Amino acid sequence: DVKVTQSSRYLVKRTGEKVFLECVQDMDHENMFWYRQDPGLGLRLIYFSYDVKMKEKGDIPEGYSVSREKKERFSLILESASTNQTSMYLCASSLSVLRVQYFGPGTRLTVT
Amino acid sequence: RKEVEQDPGPFNVPEGATVAFNCTYSNSASQSFFWYRQDCRKEPKLLMSVYSSGNEDGRFTAQLNRASQYISLLIRDSKLSDSATYLCVVINTGNQFYFGTGTSLTVIP
Repeated sequence: DVKVTQSSRYLVKRTGEKVFLECVQDMDHENMFWYRQDPGLGLRLIYFSYDVKMKEKGDIPEGYSVSREKKERFSLILESASTNQTSMYLCASSLSVLRVQYFGPGTRLTVT
Repeated sequence: RKEVEQDPGPFNVPEGATVAFNCTYSNSASQSFFWYRQDCRKEPKLLMSVYSSGNEDGRFTAQLNRASQYISLLIRDSKLSDSATYLCVVINTGNQFYFGTGTSLTVIP
């Protein structure tokens, strides 16, 4: 079974803090994704990566950056957290863009 | 126009009922389609792929209507455990993928 893990299930940070969210997959997938999910807005793609050190902006990249130094690990960075970044963050991976995405359990981030 | 649209519901149905959801897409070149299920406060998980000829998995049937540009999910004999949000995913030939915002289903005893 594909396993996607995320570093924290719940996180509380203060405004202005730098926040790191980490995602690890164990299936040698090429593609990894970061989403945020908010009520009524569905899943929104922040960034994705189709290879090590490669990244593409998604629909809402502002305020975020990513890092993919190893194939199995994809990190999302909030350079200076703001209250409007309070959300559920979901990581996913897939063998290719055309294939099924497997999601991690999510990190519920609260910025106060 | 949104790439993918779903009726958010909620759909409240009694146990044993048959319920169907649609998901419309705007790009006629779309080539891959999936239904995901998301339980409350959990991550989305693949429910089933949608094939051109339609496909069935137990009580669940997925269909694709290319002429009208929608996919559907039919659930027969609804169970309490089917209560969840159902998300459609559409992928087009440019490798762009789109998630619907989800349809909420509650099965009532």
